[in-house]
Amino acid sequence: SQKIEQNSEALNIQEGKTATLTCNYTNYSPAYLQWYRQDPGRGPVFLLLIRENEKEKRKERLKVTFDTTLKQSLFHITASQPADSATYLCARLGAAGNKLTFGGGTRVLVKP
Amino acid sequence: EPEVTQTPSHQVTQMGQEVILRCVPISNHLYFYWYRQILGQKVEFLVSFYNNEISEKSEIFDDQFSVERPDGSNFTLKIRSTKLEDSAMYFCASTPGGAYEQYFGPGTRLTVT
Repeated sequence: SQKIEQNSEALNIQEGKTATLTCNYTNYSPAYLQWYRQDPGRGPVFLLLIRENEKEKRKERLKVTFDTTLKQSLFHITASQPADSATYLCARLGAAGNKLTFGGGTRVLVKP
Repeated sequence: EPEVTQTPSHQVTQMGQEVILRCVPISNHLYFYWYRQILGQKVEFLVSFYNNEISEKSEIFDDQFSVERPDGSNFTLKIRSTKLEDSAMYFCASTPGGAYEQYFGPGTRLTVT
């Protein structure tokens, strides 16, 4: 089965610094990797999607990279703010293009 | 901005009872999904629905579960005989196409006692 793993330890970071989160997957590379934000008691909110033929994608202060050799995606939040505090989920799209398989998420806490 | 809505926000039921969770996906979306998240655990896929039929389902989605799109706007998840282990947050999601980002609703917290 296709697995997707994220660092389960919370990431504590000072405001203004860059947070870097890791997502590792097994077996074949997914055609798409997606990153979502989840606040406590709320549904995931889509942030970024990266295709396997893309090395990097950016959106405002967010950057995602995709390394099919390492079977890894990195998610960066630059100039972090306390409002960025949340759990960030990595998800791979299934081969049939239907379901998302989520990692366990990494909780980020940005301290002022 | 259009959003996915879900009702109720919290449902408490006794073991063995039937529950129906309701969702209104975004109006021009074609693919619909149910996911669940047990407290402290991963978001897990349950079922996907396209063109009025199930396109994929997980091992969790056994005969106790069913989905329906009864009127072209609502998308429902029915659990026929709830078990304690069905207690979780249930999220509905929709997308305009299969390989696009998914838009999630706020969730229904199901508590089975």
